Amino acid sequence: DGGITQSPKYLFRKEGQNVTLSCEQNLNHDAMYWYRQDPGQGLRLIYYSQIVNDFQKGDIAEGYSVSREKKESFPLTVTSAQKNPTAFYLCASSIAGGPNTEAFFGQGTRLTVV
Amino acid sequence: GESVGLHLPTLSVQEGDNSIINCAYSNSASDYFIWYKQESGKGPQFIIDIRSNMDKRQGQRVTVLLNKTVKHLSLQIAATQPGDSAVYFCAENHSGRRALTFGSGTRLQVQP
Repeated sequence: DGGITQSPKYLFRKEGQNVTLSCEQNLNHDAMYWYRQDPGQGLRLIYYSQIVNDFQKGDIAEGYSVSREKKESFPLTVTSAQKNPTAFYLCASSIAGGPNTEAFFGQGTRLTVV
Repeated sequence: GESVGLHLPTLSVQEGDNSIINCAYSNSASDYFIWYKQESGKGPQFIIDIRSNMDKRQGQRVTVLLNKTVKHLSLQIAATQPGDSAVYFCAENHSGRRALTFGSGTRLQVQP
């Protein structure tokens, strides 16, 4: 069953700790994305990657880091430098990065700082 | 700066009626638009897309209209059903930007 898998669904983090969110896709897509969603708001782009071993900052990259060592995987680390990390995090992928391409989304990870 | 916004944060309709969700965008270079549906606690699901060389596109029970002159697009849902209740986002892209930009969303509530 093809798709995008995000894990875990819920994640709790203590202040000052780094935490890594997993995103795996078996759609053979080149491009992958991370978005953040706050309650009642739209999605904001954190990082994106158009190809393995390459990624670019999005609109709100501060306090986050990513890696793209494999085509199917694009983990996101929320570092202690992110001042307000509690949010719903969405991973997406598309056939290729750039305009005119639909993005497919995972089911999200809800991160809560306790 | 770039923005994609929606006119109404919440839209309430009766079951069986048609729904119209509106979206305004500010970037005249935008050339690709998508509507997504997001149910509570889930990721967005693709509904329909349209490219800037078109002004209308139809899917199953949905129609997207694009007016580039006033930078406006709309999503029309025919015979709205309870399962259509969700938040709807428009998103846009253009050459030079490698990821979609999303609006803030409209919540559609279908009354039985």
